[in-house]
Amino acid sequence: EVQVVESGGGLVQSGGSLRLSCVASGFTFNTHAMSWVRHIPGKGLEWLSAISRSGNTTYHSDSVKGRFTISRDNSRNTVFLQLNNVRAGDTARYYCAKSPLGVLGFFDHWGQGAQVTVSS
Amino acid sequence: DVQMTQSPSILSASVGDRVTITCRASQNINIWLAWYRQKPGEAPELLIFRASSLENGVPTRFSGSGSGTQFTLTITSLQPEDSATYYCQQYNNKWTFGQGTKVEI
Repeated sequence: EVQVVESGGGLVQSGGSLRLSCVASGFTFNTHAMSWVRHIPGKGLEWLSAISRSGNTTYHSDSVKGRFTISRDNSRNTVFLQLNNVRAGDTARYYCAKSPLGVLGFFDHWGQGAQVTVSS
Repeated sequence: DVQMTQSPSILSASVGDRVTITCRASQNINIWLAWYRQKPGEAPELLIFRASSLENGVPTRFSGSGSGTQFTLTITSLQPEDSATYYCQQYNNKWTFGQGTKVEI
């Protein structure tokens, strides 16, 4: 069974940093691209970052470019999202999402999410 | 950037109804569109990809259509578990979600 499990969320002060982790199982991790998407109640879903199977190519949305960094460790079946210089607007539930084999486009499995709350 | 606009924002319907949600792209995205359902307190789940392909395990009451800039998600015979927010997402040029359509039953 495919599973992705996020961790590392919590309360962080404005301007601070946090690293989210996502451990995957039930599929061959290094053959799938992975992404991070966040949900803000009342505002909907926002794609943040994506990373290729090998980790050589990364993409970030304009809203987080320069502040958030996606990376992966295929030896540990884990993808990370480093959040730096966080703002109140980054308060959200952060989801790790898997793309199907050979596709970096849509997301066929999602974790349950990690809550990040930014305090001032 | 590609902007995605869904309508309506909120939809009220009854069990057994046929409902349609529309998604419009700000530029041509061919058929590179997916639909998701997010039930309250849960993660999103994939319903449709490539505009009209049904994901494995998704009930056949869900269907998608469209290409270019206009797309629709149709739910025939609405069920209680369909009370959720539905999102379209383009993947032709990076990735963008619509603002969501809340379906109330």
